[in-house]
Amino acid sequence: DAGITQSPRYKITETGRQVTLMCHQTWSHSYMFWYRQDLGHGLRLIYYSAAADITDKGEVPDGYVVSRSKTENFPLTLESATRSQTSVYFCASRTTGEGSPLHFGNGTRLTVT
Amino acid sequence: GQQVMQIPQYQHVQEGEDFTTYCNSSTTLSNIQWYKQRPGGHPVFLIQLVKSGEVKKQKRLTFQFGEAKKNSSLHITATQTTDVGTYFCAGRDSGYSTLTFGKGTMLLVSP
Repeated sequence: DAGITQSPRYKITETGRQVTLMCHQTWSHSYMFWYRQDLGHGLRLIYYSAAADITDKGEVPDGYVVSRSKTENFPLTLESATRSQTSVYFCASRTTGEGSPLHFGNGTRLTVT
Repeated sequence: GQQVMQIPQYQHVQEGEDFTTYCNSSTTLSNIQWYKQRPGGHPVFLIQLVKSGEVKKQKRLTFQFGEAKKNSSLHITATQTTDVGTYFCAGRDSGYSTLTFGKGTMLLVSP
């Protein structure tokens, strides 16, 4: 959906480097999410945020840091990248209704060498 | 924690054949959502089921939610090559803000 954009689309980085993946949505959705997608594991939740300045851990948070100073942005930082963090990362957002659907960005393919 | 199992992991059919993917949760769900991801793309929402025993249809796609609200299925009648992709179910426990995704079923359709 055009309303949620991720950058960069592709990123190659070295082990130990810090890298930040960006996510921006224009819908003013309250909730934002970060998932990673790996073969054989499906989509696993890393972190999520219910509103600005409110974040919470998901299933696989280790090695990642998030922040949400503004409603529209939800960056994901790998403080010291490891090869096991090579993955496709998807950002998603939704409204406050518990049954509201997730809207995904186009993803960032990250390779850690 | 909640687990959502999805089978099969992969299915290859001839165009015109039917296809079904099944989803089972370790806990009772308040609702379940289905998503489709085309190769190289991102997951796209298809539908949500909320009520016990609910059945919803979208053209050739039929979605069911089990009576106990612990399982769900997606059935595609007479597959077409445009159905190619990975289908994910995602369940939500009552009181939780997040969805737990199944690992997905990859569907390949040969013409």
